[in-house]
Amino acid sequence: GEDVEQSLFLSVREGDSSVINCTYTDSSSTYLYWYKQEPGAGLQLLTYIFSNMDMKQDQRLTVLLNKKDKHLSLRIADTQTGDSAIYFCAVISGSARQLTFGSGTQLTVLP
Amino acid sequence: GAGVSQSPSNKVTEKGKDVELRCDPISGHTALYWYRQSLGQGLEFLIYFQGNSAPDKSGLPSDRFSAERTGGSVSTLTIQRTQQEDSAVYLCASSLSRRMGSGANVLTFGAGSRLTVL
Repeated sequence: GEDVEQSLFLSVREGDSSVINCTYTDSSSTYLYWYKQEPGAGLQLLTYIFSNMDMKQDQRLTVLLNKKDKHLSLRIADTQTGDSAIYFCAVISGSARQLTFGSGTQLTVLP
Repeated sequence: GAGVSQSPSNKVTEKGKDVELRCDPISGHTALYWYRQSLGQGLEFLIYFQGNSAPDKSGLPSDRFSAERTGGSVSTLTIQRTQQEDSAVYLCASSLSRRMGSGANVLTFGAGSRLTVL
């Protein structure tokens, strides 16, 4: 089945850019998602990208997809303290009926 | 409702007791999912309901776990004879559709039910 991996921790300074990376294994993956989880809350969809796209930009968020390397990244420009949260990469592939999530990356924004 | 509601938000129970966790999805959402989030780990798929179809139970970790969805709306996840390793946050999500090619199939999550088994 699909395997999705992320690094567990990332620390950045306020105002810098954050880049959160994700790799997956199933080349038939169709939709790829980024969710944000703040403490004590459920997951909130940030953005998603369809597999026929290389890039998607939405305000401070930029998603890059490298299908050849099965690599997805989320870039947050001008990172703020309110961006501190856990960010989950999730993938749905052609054979799956549910999302497969990575372990989440804990982003800490330092003042 | 406006969002996915889960109850209780926190549950502390003793080992061996049964627990029920409830999920009230967004009105009109035909697909409903249960995931488990253990400390420091990603989300583990448990079970999925789509309309009147037979549920996909492939993620349930043991026969102590079961789930129902009554009337295509509210769902209850039941854990019998709880064990300490069942301690986790149980997340419910719903979406309009899960059919492949029907769109991005965006899941809306509830805030979760935190279960602690002593």
